[in-house]
Amino acid sequence: GQSLEQPSEVTAVEGAIVQINCTYQTSGFYGLSWYQQHDGGAPTFLSYNALDGLEETGRFSSFLSRSDSYGYLLLQELQMKDSASYLCAVYSSASKIIFGSGTRLSIRP
Amino acid sequence: NAGVTQTPKFQVLKTGQSMTLQCAQDMNHEYMSWYRQDPGMGLRLIHYSVGAGITDQGEVPNGYNVSRSTTEDFPLRLLSAAPSQTSVYFCASSTQGGYGTDTQYFGPGTRLTVL
Repeated sequence: GQSLEQPSEVTAVEGAIVQINCTYQTSGFYGLSWYQQHDGGAPTFLSYNALDGLEETGRFSSFLSRSDSYGYLLLQELQMKDSASYLCAVYSSASKIIFGSGTRLSIRP
Repeated sequence: NAGVTQTPKFQVLKTGQSMTLQCAQDMNHEYMSWYRQDPGMGLRLIHYSVGAGITDQGEVPNGYNVSRSTTEDFPLRLLSAAPSQTSVYFCASSTQGGYGTDTQYFGPGTRLTVL
């Protein structure tokens, strides 16, 4: 079957770096995406990885290892506005798209 | 350019009632999807459409119908509401289904409660 695992909560300090992990199990893997969702809001697209390696977009970076069925989102220079839930999503031929249950990031001053 | 719009924002139904959740986009996207989001669970795909006149089932299609008569609109119909359908519903649109760097744009959501 298909499944996605990500931690339910992560806490970090303003200005620090935090990594949010996502492991997946699926067949016919195409790629992995990350979305940000603030409380009461809609998901917004952050990044997409289809190939192994690191993709950097400003303060956010995303990594994928296809052989390990694993990816992570790296947030640097954390700001209070980064407090949100972060959803990983896997695209595959088996199930089109599956979302993880989300990781709630809390940032302390 | 309004993006993806959804109506209503909130709705309360009684068990057995039917209703239609509206979704419209003005970006000329071919691909549109409906998701539901429940506490502690990720977004789950209900139905999707790759263009006008073409729809297909996602992960959790039971109890829902869709149609796509125009590129802009993709309504979701609840045939006979059940408490298990209490959820937040999101509509999304994209050029290619969100694959690769193609971005899925989500509407603001409809919060549905079924009593």
